[in-house]
Amino acid sequence: SQQGEEDPQALSIQEGENATMNCSYKTSINNLQWYRQNSGRGLVHLILIRSNEREKHSGRLRVTLDTSKKSSSLLITASRAADTASYFCATLLGLGGGADGLTFGKGTHLIIQP
Amino acid sequence: EPEVTQTPSHQVTQMGQEVILRCVPISNHLYFYWYRQILGQKVEFLVSFYNNEISEKSEIFDDQFSVERPDGSNFTLKIRSTKLEDSAMYFCASRGGGYQPQHFGDGTRLSIL
Repeated sequence: SQQGEEDPQALSIQEGENATMNCSYKTSINNLQWYRQNSGRGLVHLILIRSNEREKHSGRLRVTLDTSKKSSSLLITASRAADTASYFCATLLGLGGGADGLTFGKGTHLIIQP
Repeated sequence: EPEVTQTPSHQVTQMGQEVILRCVPISNHLYFYWYRQILGQKVEFLVSFYNNEISEKSEIFDDQFSVERPDGSNFTLKIRSTKLEDSAMYFCASRGGGYQPQHFGDGTRLSIL
């Protein structure tokens, strides 16, 4: 299975602090993606990192990928109350064909304390 | 910004009944997907659809399920003879070509009584 598994399962920090979430996966990947899900809402795509990339930035987000360890991390800097959500890593089920579905981990539930 | 829209937001159905969940993907997207999320569990892939036919499907997507793109805008998931264990959030997603990410709707909460 290519399923990603995030840790920690839950994380509670103070507003303004940085939040780091980790993801591990089992097989070779074409890319790895991070999604956010607010309570009762759909998944929102945050960032995609390709297998030949090691680090990628988008605003307050920084994602790293270590294919030798089959792991990725998502760092949210200067956290805000609005960042409270569940965060999931996802990988493609197949070899990167256009219609491949995604497989998700159980997610990290992030709570930002004001 | 264009969005994937799903209707209804909540569907309550008696066990054994048929249900149709509706989705309007983002226009000009090429690939369409259905996922489900049972309460407290992972989001699970059900099926992908491209060029008016199913491309990939998971073990969950058995003969009870079917998908259709009846016109140029709607994408539907039909569940025949619903079971209690079909209760879940069902998410539709779509994406454009290349390395475009999948965009998800807000889901339909399906409750089977």
